[in-house]
Amino acid sequence: SSELTQDPAVSVALGQTVRITCQGDSLRSYYASWYQQKAGQAPVLVIYGKNKRPSGIPDRFSGSGSGNTASLIITGARAEDEADYHCDSRDSSGNHVVFGGGTKLTVL
Amino acid sequence: EVQLVQSGAELKKPGESLRISCKGSGYSFTTYWIGWVRQMPGKGLEWMGIIYPDDSDTRYSPSFQGQVTISADRSITSAYLQWNNLKASDTAIYYCVRQRRQGTVWYFDYWGQGTLVAVSS
Repeated sequence: SSELTQDPAVSVALGQTVRITCQGDSLRSYYASWYQQKAGQAPVLVIYGKNKRPSGIPDRFSGSGSGNTASLIITGARAEDEADYHCDSRDSSGNHVVFGGGTKLTVL
Repeated sequence: EVQLVQSGAELKKPGESLRISCKGSGYSFTTYWIGWVRQMPGKGLEWMGIIYPDDSDTRYSPSFQGQVTISADRSITSAYLQWNNLKASDTAIYYCVRQRRQGTVWYFDYWGQGTLVAVSS
């Protein structure tokens, strides 16, 4: 079983804001990273560290964290944001990486 | 431009051996960790393990330790994932990933295109 827990599915109305969460004890010590995976494609990094975005990722994507919960926030969701979103972090030992189960985002 | 280019899809039988590859280019291959991530059909991502090509230091997820072998050949900037006894449950897409480590922050900044491995009798 995964040490990081995500809701299996979340929906958001076009143009609205959505928060996708990732919970786990290791998040009290380590930042989460977030990856977007569109159907049939490889994942793409969208957020890492303390709310950092790689070049080319729109600023409507942001990250936050508190206690054992990390969040990916999409402000003003667009149709093209419909995808699976995966979080990862170092595990409690700090030596390995663990992924959450992924969240399927539907934009209505 | 950083690229991770993986070998093509494979169809194998249970019990067979297999090695898939990932060629890195556009960066200093020996100074970044490179790893493998599994995605079973319709499922999430699973971290399998990682190697540092400069000295071949290798770490495995407890779930995959003893099940696969990760290696690298720095002379041709390639990493490998190997099985000696494939099972039907190994059917999945396998991604190679480059890992950045900035202090305590670890993340996968580049992903290969994925290699589909299908195991069926």
